[in-house]
Amino acid sequence: DAGVTQSPTHLIKTRGQQVTLRCSPKSGHDTVSWYQQALGQGPQFIFQYYEEEERQRGNFPDRFSGHQFPNYSSELNVNALLLGDSALYLCASSRGRAQAYEQYFGPGTRLTVT
Amino acid sequence: AQSVTQLGSHVSVSEGALVLLRCNYSSSVPPYLFWYVQYPNQGLQLLLKYTTGATLVKGINGFEAEFKKSETSFHLTKPSAHMSDAAEYFCAVTRSSNTGKLIFGQGTTLQVKP
Repeated sequence: DAGVTQSPTHLIKTRGQQVTLRCSPKSGHDTVSWYQQALGQGPQFIFQYYEEEERQRGNFPDRFSGHQFPNYSSELNVNALLLGDSALYLCASSRGRAQAYEQYFGPGTRLTVT
Repeated sequence: AQSVTQLGSHVSVSEGALVLLRCNYSSSVPPYLFWYVQYPNQGLQLLLKYTTGATLVKGINGFEAEFKKSETSFHLTKPSAHMSDAAEYFCAVTRSSNTGKLIFGQGTTLQVKP
């Protein structure tokens, strides 16, 4: 049973560029949440997708956007990259809204902005 | 608003000694509480969770935690530390009424000395 997968593993971008990160949820899961983990910090909630819609959003600017596909996979897009966007981006999946709290995390994508 | 405070960013114990990682939370509604572990260059793995019912919860790898409402605490313990327990540990909270957004603490690095 495959767990949560994310791609790419590492990414280096330049300030002002745009980036897309991808996530495939654990088998049987239909909800995807994204988190940003800066170095030495705990993860911070970006947003959550369920039924192809953004259901909740954390305190992140509109430069951060996402999408969920019919197969429940998800993308995180960040526009106009800033140095401060350098972080580990974690995707978590869960089953249904009632159990959205039980989240399984992927290995993350390490984004470096230069 | 909800928040989590992990007391002690670094904890060092000897192999075989008791592990105690402290977590205090703030929540105006009944919380759901979690402990996650993160090994270097990996995602987060759920150790244990409290939602309702028994306040002493047991998790994987011999860890357990006790929900104490009067103290707003959810400390993580393990009777005997093993070298493989060395990792970063995160406490997280979410509202029972809004279960998709996890709020994480800053993390505690556990060092296990031989």
